[in-house]
Amino acid sequence: AQSVTQLGSHVSVSEGALVLLRCNYSSSVPPYLFWYVQYPNQGLQLLLKYTSAATLVKGINGFEAEFKKSETSFHLTKPSAHMSDAAEYFCAVTLYSSASKIIFGSGTRLSIRP
Amino acid sequence: DARVTQTPRHKVTEMGQEVTMRCQPILGHNTVFWYRQTMMQGLELLAYFRNRAPLDDSGMPKDRFSAEMPDATLATLKIQPSEPRDSAVYFCASGQLSVTDTQYFGPGTRLTVL
Repeated sequence: AQSVTQLGSHVSVSEGALVLLRCNYSSSVPPYLFWYVQYPNQGLQLLLKYTSAATLVKGINGFEAEFKKSETSFHLTKPSAHMSDAAEYFCAVTLYSSASKIIFGSGTRLSIRP
Repeated sequence: DARVTQTPRHKVTEMGQEVTMRCQPILGHNTVFWYRQTMMQGLELLAYFRNRAPLDDSGMPKDRFSAEMPDATLATLKIQPSEPRDSAVYFCASGQLSVTDTQYFGPGTRLTVL
C-alpha cells in the first residue's frame, strides 16, 4: 500500500527565504504525487502534481517540486517566501487505478516571519 | 468559476441528534469524496463515489455514518446518532474519473457536537 510521510509538522521561515517542505513516499509501483495547500478556514486546493511526465513540476504561486525516485521524495520548494504563503501544506499519493484512492500526509504548517 | 458548495458551513448540535451535511459537486464531475479533518487525526477519507455509486466507504464508521448521492448534483453525509468525538471539519471534494485528476474541495462544514 502506498503512503506519504511529511517531515516536520511546523516549518517557520523568514520572508524572502527559501521554503523547503519535505515529503517522502512509499509505493511498490511508480506513484502519482500531489501537493495541496489549505489556507485558514478553507478547503484544500491543488498546488501541483506529478503524473510521470517531467520530474520537475511547477505549480501555482511560484512553488515547484521535484520527483526523485532514488530518494523516494517529492519535496516542495519556493525560492522566496511571501507572507501570503502561510498555510498548511499536504503531500498526497495515489496509484493509477480506477479503484485507487488518494492518501494524504499529516500536513506541514508553514509560518512566515516578517 | 465553478466551485464545490457545502451546507451548512457550521453546525452545533447535541449528542444523540441526527446531523446531515450536503455537498453540491462541480457540474460534470463524476467522483465525489468525503473527508474528515481533526487536529488529532489529520485528513481522513471517509468515503467516495463514482457515477453516484459508492466505491469505498471503509473509512466511515458504519454504525452511525451513512453517505449517499441521491442525484448527480447532491451528495449527503449523515451521522445518527452524533457523538462529541464526531466534532470535526467535514470536507466534500469532487473530481473527474481518474485519480490523477485534481480534487476540488468545498469550504467544509464545521461540526461541533456537545
